[in-house]
Amino acid sequence: QVQLQQSGPGLVKPSQTLSLTCAISGDSVSSNSATWDWIRQSPSRGLEWLGRTYYRSRWYNDYAVSMRGRITIDPDTSKNQFSLHLNSVTPDDTAVYYCARLVGTSWFDFWGQGALVTVSS
Amino acid sequence: DIQMTQSPSSLSASVGDRVTITCRASQSISTYLNWYQQKSGKAPDLLIYSASSLQSGVPPRFSGSGSGTEFTLTISSLQPEDFATYYCQVSHSIPYTFGQGTKLEIK
Repeated sequence: QVQLQQSGPGLVKPSQTLSLTCAISGDSVSSNSATWDWIRQSPSRGLEWLGRTYYRSRWYNDYAVSMRGRITIDPDTSKNQFSLHLNSVTPDDTAVYYCARLVGTSWFDFWGQGALVTVSS
Repeated sequence: DIQMTQSPSSLSASVGDRVTITCRASQSISTYLNWYQQKSGKAPDLLIYSASSLQSGVPPRFSGSGSGTEFTLTISSLQPEDFATYYCQVSHSIPYTFGQGTKLEIK
């Protein structure tokens, strides 16, 4: 059974960097058949896909256009986890952030527990 | 980006009712459509993938159908644990987009 365990601060100041980590058990971040994604949810935006990292002989990333320039998602093979870094945050980035595994022709079959991140001074 | 229009946004029903939720895509997506259930304070749970395939462990009262631009999620006989919010998600291409959600409430 795959489990995704999220960690990171729940409060970030405006203009700073939001960083969250998702630790994987039951699968590998280097899997050739999955991607490792971040999704957020807020009342104003609903569920919003942010981006992903995945390994297919080498590492790849894809990011939502709305996030480009501010987002980095990187794997840590030594700890079997992946992280989200979102810089220059504003209160509009306040949301519940989820990590998730994507498989098959692209469905999310396992999710982290979610983390409410509030952007406020 | 492919936009998903989900309806209704809310629905009141009784235990034992049959309910249907619809998602329409802004362009044809074949069967690249998934359905999730989300309960308050929890992450979404996968119910249906590829429009009509039931995820392992999901009760058979849930079913999905459709292709192209119109898709439906049907719950054949509502149970108390089914009152939740339901989302569709398009998996045709990135960015993966979600419907706005349908909140299913007890009548």
